[in-house]
Amino acid sequence: DIVMTQTPRSLPVTLGQPASISCRSSRSLVHTDGNTYLSWLQQRPGQPPRLLVSKISNRLSGVPDRFSGSGAGTDFTLKISRVEAEDVGIYYCLHGSHSYTFGQGTKLEI
Amino acid sequence: EVQLVESGGDLVQPGGSLRLSCGVSGFPFSRHWMSWARRTPGKGLEWVAKINEDGAEKYYVDSVEGRFTISRDNAKDSLYLQMNSLRAEDTAMYYCVRDHEYALDYWGQGTLVTVSS
Repeated sequence: DIVMTQTPRSLPVTLGQPASISCRSSRSLVHTDGNTYLSWLQQRPGQPPRLLVSKISNRLSGVPDRFSGSGAGTDFTLKISRVEAEDVGIYYCLHGSHSYTFGQGTKLEI
Repeated sequence: EVQLVESGGDLVQPGGSLRLSCGVSGFPFSRHWMSWARRTPGKGLEWVAKINEDGAEKYYVDSVEGRFTISRDNAKDSLYLQMNSLRAEDTAMYYCVRDHEYALDYWGQGTLVTVSS
C-alpha cells in the first residue's frame, strides 16, 4: 500500500508571509495513463474538506491564485504565496486510484 | 448548485449496526463514482469506500472490509453505507463525497457516528 507522508505536521505562519507543505509518497504516483492523481484539500475548523488542487497543479475554480501545487513522481508541494487569516486549517494531500490514501495532515496556524 | 446531505449518524454500542444515507442534487448522480470518507479525532481524514456509476464495482479500505457495505440508488439520487459490527475506532464524522478523475471534489457537511457503550 502507498503511504503518504506530509511535513511539517504543524506550520505556524505569519500573515502575509509564504507557506509551504510537503507530501512524499512511498512509491511513484504516475498512473499507467500518464497522469499523476495527487490532489490537495483544505479543511477549515467546523467545515467539510474542500478540494483546492487536483492532478498536482490544477487549481479548482474559485480557489485563490495564492495557492499553487507542484511536484512529480514521489515529491509534491503545496505553496501559499501570502497567507491570509482564512487559510487557517488542516491541509491534506491525497492520492487517488482504485482506493484513496490521505496524508496525515498539516495544521496551519497563525 | 451541488449538494450532498448525509443523515443517519447516531450513538451506537460496540457490535451494533447503522445505515448512513446521502441525498444528492445539482449534478447527474448516475454518471459519477461516489465515496464515503471519515474524519477521526486522532487519525485525520480516511477514505472508507467507493462505488462506481451502476453499483457493480466497490472498493473498501482494509479496516472496514467485510463489515461495511456501500450501495446506491440512482433512481433516488442516493448513496448509502451499511455499517455492521461497529467498533470504537469507527467513531468519526462520515462524509459523502463525489469522485471526479481520482479526486474527491464535492463533500457533504457530514454525519457523526459515535460507537460507545
